[in-house]
Amino acid sequence: DTAVSQTPKYLVTQMGNDKSIKCEQNLGHDTMYWYKQDSKKFLKIMFSYNNKELIINETVPNRFSPKSPDKAHLNLHINSLELGDSAVYFCASSQDLLSGGSTDTQYFGPGTRLTVL
Amino acid sequence: GQSLEQPSEVTAVEGAIVQINCTYQTSGFYGLSWYQQHDGGAPTFLSYNGLDGLEETGRFSSFLSRSDSYGYLLLQELQMKDSASYFCAVKRGWGKLQFGAGTQVVVTP
Repeated sequence: DTAVSQTPKYLVTQMGNDKSIKCEQNLGHDTMYWYKQDSKKFLKIMFSYNNKELIINETVPNRFSPKSPDKAHLNLHINSLELGDSAVYFCASSQDLLSGGSTDTQYFGPGTRLTVL
Repeated sequence: GQSLEQPSEVTAVEGAIVQINCTYQTSGFYGLSWYQQHDGGAPTFLSYNGLDGLEETGRFSSFLSRSDSYGYLLLQELQMKDSASYFCAVKRGWGKLQFGAGTQVVVTP
């Protein structure tokens, strides 16, 4: 059983298009995240949701809109794609921040490699 | 400002010991985590230090000194499968991890 899954694994699209990436976790965690990893492997948090509530929103262009229909799912929609959006996007989850372990160990999905042409 | 510094690359032979240092400058520090990422793979959790001292997990150990804003990951008895990128990450509260740029560990026969 895959703990954190993402679809699609690869996404190739033209500039200006709109695309979505989906994430699901079956770990029973309450908190989910989106990260962006650039070509230099720099991993940066974009958003975090706890029980469907947005709790972290880093400085991300508002072309990026996360949506959490329930605590097991966190999707990322990107409007008007730009060349600079090309990266690997990782979804992650962790136990509830209030009741979970002190480490807040994050479990990452396999990533979605987005290429904007 | 906020920053994490770690070496960009370390090369060692099988069976050797490697230490990856991480120095940080950040507000809201709760602890230091380490993650491993193989090429094309996802980051996976290795260890966490919330308090000063050494944490040991099999061949891997991690150390934290809050007063020095410094930590390290020690990889012992290196194996070829340990070739990967290793990231230190500061926990800044509310599940917020700030990652370093990563250290590429290359293990040679």
